[in-house]
Amino acid sequence: QVQLVQSGAEVKKPGASVKVSCKTSGYTFTSYYIHWVRQAPGQGLEWMGRINPSGSSTSYAQKFQGRVTMTRDTSTSTVYMELSSLRSEDTAVYYCARTAVTNWFDPWGQGTLVTVSS
Amino acid sequence: DIQMTQSPSSVSASIGDRVTITCRASQGIGSWLAWYQQKPGKAPELLIYAASGLQSGVPSRFSGSGSGTDFTLTISSLQPEDFATYFCQQANSFPLTFGGGTKVEIK
Repeated sequence: QVQLVQSGAEVKKPGASVKVSCKTSGYTFTSYYIHWVRQAPGQGLEWMGRINPSGSSTSYAQKFQGRVTMTRDTSTSTVYMELSSLRSEDTAVYYCARTAVTNWFDPWGQGTLVTVSS
Repeated sequence: DIQMTQSPSSVSASIGDRVTITCRASQGIGSWLAWYQQKPGKAPELLIYAASGLQSGVPSRFSGSGSGTDFTLTISSLQPEDFATYFCQQANSFPLTFGGGTKVEIK
C-alpha cells in the first residue's frame, strides 16, 4: 500500500535550520507530487509548497519563499524539506502528503514535530 | 489567495445526529474542494474530493455538496468514531488553502 514515512521529531534553536525527510513506498515515485503542510499547536493547516519528483521542479508559498527548500532523491524515493532561519513561530507538526494533478492530499505522512526553542 | 471560511468552528452532537458543516470560498472554485477528517495526534485523512466524490473506504454516511463558493459536508448519522476535527481545502489555485476547521464534539 502507499506509505509516506517521515523522520523523527526535532528540537532546534532560533536561527538554525531543520531538514525533514519523507520516504515514500507503494507507488511510482515520479508519478505524483509531494507537498508539505504544517500545523502549529492547536491551529489549522498551512500549505508550504510542493515538489514534482519527476524533474524536481518546485512551487513554494510566498510566505516561505527564500526560507524553504524541497528536494528529492529518486534512488530512495525520498523527499526532503529544509526550513532555515527558524523562529519560535515555526514550532509545528510538519506533514508531507501526496497528490496527483488534482491536488487532493492522499495519503499523508505521520507528521514530524519541529520545536524551535532557545 | 483564496480564503476558506468554515462554520461553525465547533459543534456538539449526539450519536445518531445529523451534522452539517459549511465552507465558503472567497471566490469561485468550481468543484475544486476537498474535506478531511483529523483525529487528535493523527494526520488528516481525505474524506471527500471534487466537492462530492466519496474517497474509497469512507463510510457512506459522509457526503459533500456544493459548487462555486458554498460547500457542505454532511454526516447523516453521527457515529462514535466521527468525533474529530474536519477541514475543507480548495484545490483550485495556488497557494492551496484550508478552512480553519470544525471540531465535532460529544454532546
